[in-house]
Amino acid sequence: NAGVMQNPRHLVRRRGQEARLRCSPMKGHSHVYWYRQLPEEGLKFMVYLQKENIIDESGMPKERFSAEFPKEGPSILRIQQVVRGDSAAYFCASSPMDIGGSTDTQYFGPGTRLTVL
Amino acid sequence: AQSVTQLGSHVSVSEGALVLLRCNYSSSVPPYLFWYVQYPNQGLQLLLKYTSAATLVKGINGFEAEFKKSETSFHLTKPSAHMSDAAEYFCAVSPRGNNDMRFGAGTRLTVKP
Repeated sequence: NAGVMQNPRHLVRRRGQEARLRCSPMKGHSHVYWYRQLPEEGLKFMVYLQKENIIDESGMPKERFSAEFPKEGPSILRIQQVVRGDSAAYFCASSPMDIGGSTDTQYFGPGTRLTVL
Repeated sequence: AQSVTQLGSHVSVSEGALVLLRCNYSSSVPPYLFWYVQYPNQGLQLLLKYTSAATLVKGINGFEAEFKKSETSFHLTKPSAHMSDAAEYFCAVSPRGNNDMRFGAGTRLTVKP
């Protein structure tokens, strides 16, 4: 069973360009989470999605950032008109369907390191 | 709302010494608690988790953590540090029946020879 896959692993963009980060959850997992890790800081929750639904986006910046988890295909975190402050590591995690509250473990991907020049 | 506080952003121990990484949580409902480890340029790997069974939880690589409700703590320990334990460690909390997880700021463990 393959783990959580993220691509690309490294992404370089110039200011004003768009960044698209992809996350394929573990097989059988229907919950996806995105986190951002700034240098020397911990993980900050951004958004929680289930298939075709955004459940909690309280950690997402109000502008330029969006996320989706379509019925088919990977989850996408999209950052429009990137700025230097967007440079960070972006981690995706997945968890299986919540059954009786016993499946809260999140499994993390290797991350995408975004550098904005 | 739930949160965790990790005391000490950097901890340094000698090889063979006890490792103690502190985590205190705040939660309005009985929580699930987790410790993750992150090696340089890698994602997070689950070390162990508490989900209301035994209060002393054993994880991988010789780590264990004890849930103490009276102290709202979930400190991570390892009797004898190894050089390969050098990494960033994150404590996290999740309300039961809910996939919402919040992470602490992390503690960077350095192991000296």
